Amino acid sequence: SQTIHQWPATLVQPVGSPLSLECTVEGTSNPNLYWYRQAAGRGLQLLFYSVGIGQISSEVPQNLSASRPQDRQFILSSKKLLLSDSGFYLCAWTTWGGETQYFGPGTRLLVL
Amino acid sequence: GENVEQHPSTLSVQEGDSAVIKCTYSDSASNYFPWYKQELGKRPQLIIDIRSNVGEKKDQRIAVTLNKTAKHFSLHITETQPEDSAVYFCAASTGGSYIPTFGRGTSLIVHP
Repeated sequence: SQTIHQWPATLVQPVGSPLSLECTVEGTSNPNLYWYRQAAGRGLQLLFYSVGIGQISSEVPQNLSASRPQDRQFILSSKKLLLSDSGFYLCAWTTWGGETQYFGPGTRLLVL
Repeated sequence: GENVEQHPSTLSVQEGDSAVIKCTYSDSASNYFPWYKQELGKRPQLIIDIRSNVGEKKDQRIAVTLNKTAKHFSLHITETQPEDSAVYFCAASTGGSYIPTFGRGTSLIVHP
């Protein structure tokens, strides 16, 4: 069966520091991968999605970037965090050509 | 692009009552409609979905109905229990599109 991992689970970072969040999927090949951000009490904001290695599409302009160095690995990065980057970051996947998204456990980021 | 409106934003019911959450979508090409439940601090989890060739789908106490003509779909929860308390998200996507459009969420509170 398929499993999605995210780490770390919780992160507290100072403003201006770099960020690296990792997501990996097991048990499937060629997944579509997604990064979402959820502010407290708010909806799901799509940040990036990827349909293959090295293929990244950005949905909103921001100081974040994403990379997909391997088929089942998706990384969210920032060179300098802002206070507004605080939130719950969720990675999700679908099968290639599939419709149903499955979410990872999430990373709670607090920027101070 | 697709636009999904979800109502109400908050729904408070007594245990044992029924709850109904409604979503409308704008793109008549949308053909897949999942519903997610997100408990506090957890990831969204798929609870039920429906495709455009079906008008209704049931799974125990949960049902989803779809009206393609009016472009709206609804989640029905019968005999609500306190553990049904969560935020519920609807979404719509088009076959071949990799990106679902989510509603803004409904916070369901079930009072014992």
